[in-house]
Amino acid sequence: SQQGEEDPQALSIQEGENATMNCSYKTSINNLQWYRQNSGRGLVHLILIRSNEREKHSGRLRVTLDTSKKSSSLLITASRAADTASYFCATDALAGRRALTFGSGTRLQVQP
Amino acid sequence: DSGVTQTPKHLITATGQRVTLRCSPRSGDLSVYWYQQSLDQGLQFLIQYYNGEERAKGNILERFSAQQFPDLHSELNLSSLELGDSALYFCASNKGLAGGDTQYFGPGTRLTVL
Repeated sequence: SQQGEEDPQALSIQEGENATMNCSYKTSINNLQWYRQNSGRGLVHLILIRSNEREKHSGRLRVTLDTSKKSSSLLITASRAADTASYFCATDALAGRRALTFGSGTRLQVQP
Repeated sequence: DSGVTQTPKHLITATGQRVTLRCSPRSGDLSVYWYQQSLDQGLQFLIQYYNGEERAKGNILERFSAQQFPDLHSELNLSSLELGDSALYFCASNKGLAGGDTQYFGPGTRLTVL
């Protein structure tokens, strides 16, 4: 079953614009991670935010976490055509099996 | 390049057959995770091995099994294949026991069952 659900399912923007993707999850977590997947390729880890953190930055990426709302957002600033990919959030649940549970993903298309 | 390798890249087989997918983790990583990615089910965790022992189990069918060898490479065996088993199969690795830490993914094996 999916722990995280991304929103929107698909997003199309122009180069230079910002892209925001949201993730909602159901259970309490240790951390939340964002991964990127180019079409049919392996997933690449982007950023990890722990449950006691509210915001984290990495280059053009900004991730926020609101544990009270069980939600996270990924902002990609000044997007490039090379950012075209699917983006997944993955949660590490606080209880039970210590394994990542992935959301359904957001497909981002950046038009040159 | 994550350092995780998977073979083969593509596999085409028939229903009822058995296949073996292979994964070599990053140097120094003791944990290997297997995932199945399909259009209808998304990315599903199947199973984790740590230093040769099964550590966590996800949505893995009884027709599927895995093992991790002393050199830490892992194999995922899929038997009595059905059309619905067609998917991308990924392995991932990391150093420790904790499945919730950052995982490093291989390029995947695309399985097509005809």
